[in-house]
Amino acid sequence: KNEVEQSPQNLTAQEGEFITINCSYSVGISALHWLQQHPGGGIVSLFMLSSGKKKHGRLIATINIQEKHSSLHITASHPRDSAVYICAVAPSPGRGTSGSRLTFGEGTQLTVNP
Amino acid sequence: DTEVTQTPKHLVMGMTNKKSLKCEQHMGHRAMYWYKQKAKKPPELMFVYSYEKLSINESVPSRFSPECPNSSLLNLHLHALQPEDSALYLCASSPYHGAGANTGELFFGEGSRLTVL
Repeated sequence: KNEVEQSPQNLTAQEGEFITINCSYSVGISALHWLQQHPGGGIVSLFMLSSGKKKHGRLIATINIQEKHSSLHITASHPRDSAVYICAVAPSPGRGTSGSRLTFGEGTQLTVNP
Repeated sequence: DTEVTQTPKHLVMGMTNKKSLKCEQHMGHRAMYWYKQKAKKPPELMFVYSYEKLSINESVPSRFSPECPNSSLLNLHLHALQPEDSALYLCASSPYHGAGANTGELFFGEGSRLTVL
């Protein structure tokens, strides 16, 4: 079982729909990152969370540390949101490893149709 | 300037060639990273530099040789690569690095797509 699990693996939506991507992890973390990758391209950092909720434009990210779960929401989705969304966690201090060794989920491929 | 710039964007090389990938950031970040990403897979960490010193080498073969000439630049020297090394190579930077430390937000470059013939 992977330390970071994302669901769904693939998601197709119509323009305007509200979208949720989920991330569950099994280890103690100091931070969780949500990343976006367009086809053939680089990665953009959307959010870094250690608690609570963050909002940027149409994107909202939440994290529940007790339940080891995070969600990424996209409101009023648009075709330009089509991309792979990746959840990555930074291990918590004391695990004998560096926060730089992120553990990545397998990603969620989102396609938003016009 | 919140960019990480990678060059070249595309590189095709033979197995006997020597080439380099370059990465630059001017955000004052103290940690810089090389990741390798195969198609439809998440990135895999290769190297981490902290304050211009190699901090993490994830058992990467010696045909990949990283170099950090100064706090803004990171190179990846390539020599005698194999076709299976073909991948997208991503550079990233973050404000901090340290054992057990939160790195701060990661900034990635657009990547260098490498094809080894």
